[in-house]
Amino acid sequence: EVQLVETGGGLVQPGRSLKLSCVASGFTFNNYWMSWTRQAPGKGLEWVASITNSGGSTYYPDSVKGRFTISRDNAQNTLYLQMNSLRSEDTATYYCTRVNIHWGQGVMVTVSS
Amino acid sequence: DVVLTQTPPTLSATIGQSVSISCRSSQSLLHSNGNTYLHWLLQRPGQSPQLLIYLVSRLESGVPNRFSGSGSGTDFTLKISGVEAEDLGVYYCVQGTHAPDTFGAGTKLELK
Repeated sequence: EVQLVETGGGLVQPGRSLKLSCVASGFTFNNYWMSWTRQAPGKGLEWVASITNSGGSTYYPDSVKGRFTISRDNAQNTLYLQMNSLRSEDTATYYCTRVNIHWGQGVMVTVSS
Repeated sequence: DVVLTQTPPTLSATIGQSVSISCRSSQSLLHSNGNTYLHWLLQRPGQSPQLLIYLVSRLESGVPNRFSGSGSGTDFTLKISGVEAEDLGVYYCVQGTHAPDTFGAGTKLELK
């Protein structure tokens, strides 16, 4: 069974940083692209970042490009999202996903002073 | 980016009623490798999205067979044959054929 468990969320002030982690199990992690997708309160789903199975290439929407960095450690079956220069509009539940098919339980990030 | 248009935005149903949700894409979702990366998710209240249908019509393991998916190219449909109380929530279509992955805006299924 595919399992994705996110950690690292919380309350952070605007302009500060936060790093999310996602531990994967139940599948061969290094065979799959992975993504982070977020959902602002009461809103729909928004793709945030993707990384190839080797970690050699990464992709972002304009809304987070230059501020967020996705990375992975295939030896530890772990996906990361480093979020810098956080803004109030980044407030959302962040989900670790295996190509937007399998989802973790999500972790809440609140950006507020 | 590919735009997925879901209709209706809200669906009111009684238990046992059959309902359908449409997802239309701004461009064909047929990949050059022959696959169509159009999937359906259900997000129950307070939960994370869960996969129901992948690759247009393949039922995810453990999902009841009252759920079915169909379509091709730009037009896709999710059908629930006999709504049950546990089916309430928001349904999303998602495409992975064209980068970046994009989502429909969601269809909220409510009890009438």
